[in-house]
Amino acid sequence: SQELEQSPQSLIVQEGKNLTINCTSSKTLYGLYWYKQKYGEGLIFLMMLQKGGEEKSHEKITAKLDEKKQQSSLHITASQPSHAGIYLCGADMDDYKLSFGAGTTVTVRA
Amino acid sequence: DTAVSQTPKYLVTQMGNDKSIKCEQNLGHDTMYWYKQDSKKFLKIMFSYNNKELIINETVPNRFSPKSPDKAHLNLHINSLELGDSAVYFCASSSQGSGANVLTFGAGSRLTVL
Repeated sequence: SQELEQSPQSLIVQEGKNLTINCTSSKTLYGLYWYKQKYGEGLIFLMMLQKGGEEKSHEKITAKLDEKKQQSSLHITASQPSHAGIYLCGADMDDYKLSFGAGTTVTVRA
Repeated sequence: DTAVSQTPKYLVTQMGNDKSIKCEQNLGHDTMYWYKQDSKKFLKIMFSYNNKELIINETVPNRFSPKSPDKAHLNLHINSLELGDSAVYFCASSSQGSGANVLTFGAGSRLTVL
């Protein structure tokens, strides 16, 4: 079974609209990472969250970690075609072991 | 200059063959990883090495043998390839194994077993 649950599995959004992706764990997260993957490419690091209630933003992407450190969300404001791709959340499950959720495929329609 | 480079990018081979994927990082990281991404895009860790020592082996069949000749290289050799081995294999590296464990990924090696 997967240790990190991501939702939704996929979503289609109209350009200019907002979207939110969720990542949930049954265990306390000591390090939560968001990555983006474009088709045929490797993963690009977006943001890392470690503290309960932490929120980080970069350009139009905001990531939050809840106070209990078991749920994170990634929010994109005014989506653009460049935001299309697969978004994966990852968490430190053990030393030297970063495990990932199943990913969320984002399609942005012009 | 690519931070984490993998070769080859594409590999098509027959069942039963043996093949290798090479990975090199020029970031000075001390930890390297192999991940497997299946057709459903699920990314699963296979191995992690720290300073050339195997740390994590996620119940990978022993047909898969990683080798780390030095901190900057982690190669993956696969014996007796099976259809189920078809996937994209990603190499990654990080500067430490715990705490702020930001991984830098290679572009992936797509293996197709016929």
